[in-house]
Amino acid sequence: NAGVTQTPKFRILKIGQSMTLQCTQDMNHNYMYWYRQDPGMGLKLIYYSVGAGITDKGEVPNGYNVSRSTTEDFPLRLELAAPSQTSVYFCASRDTGSTDTQYFGPGTRLTVL
Amino acid sequence: AQSVTQLDSQVPVFEEAPVELRCNYSSSVSVYLFWYVQYPNQGLQLLLKYLSGSTLVKGINGFEAEFNKSQTSFHLRKPSVHISDTAEYFCAVRDFGNEKLTFGTGTRLTIIP
Repeated sequence: NAGVTQTPKFRILKIGQSMTLQCTQDMNHNYMYWYRQDPGMGLKLIYYSVGAGITDKGEVPNGYNVSRSTTEDFPLRLELAAPSQTSVYFCASRDTGSTDTQYFGPGTRLTVL
Repeated sequence: AQSVTQLDSQVPVFEEAPVELRCNYSSSVSVYLFWYVQYPNQGLQLLLKYLSGSTLVKGINGFEAEFNKSQTSFHLRKPSVHISDTAEYFCAVRDFGNEKLTFGTGTRLTIIP
């Protein structure tokens, strides 16, 4: 099992550009999450999904969009990049069985200039 | 709404000394509690969790934590730390029946040789 994979690892965007952060999990988890991590701020939930075709907003959804067409993939879309979106982005999936554990990807470091 | 407070942003400890990282939470309902570790430039890895049952929870790498409902705390402890424990540690809470995990702002543990 690869677990949760994210691409790219690093990206620099100009203000106003758009991009998609990819996230894939091979553990057949229904629940998936996107977080952003800013220095000294912990992780903030952007969006989450409880299964294919079902998504919902987290704490900080503005400026982002998601889709969930398959169980495995949960891409995060930035439409008009802003400097405030400079952050490290983590994708996670959750085992809702007896272990009830979230598994995190390695992260994408995004800089918007 | 659930929230988490990690009182110490940085904790320096001598190698082989004991350590306690503090975590307090607030919630109006029953909770699940987690500690995650983040090594430099990596994603988060689960250290341990409290879902129910015994209030003393043992995790990986010799860490343990105790759930104290009356004090709404879930402090993380290790009797003897190693250089390899240098990392950032995050406490997190999830309300029973809620899909969202709320993280604290993290505690950076630095081991002094």
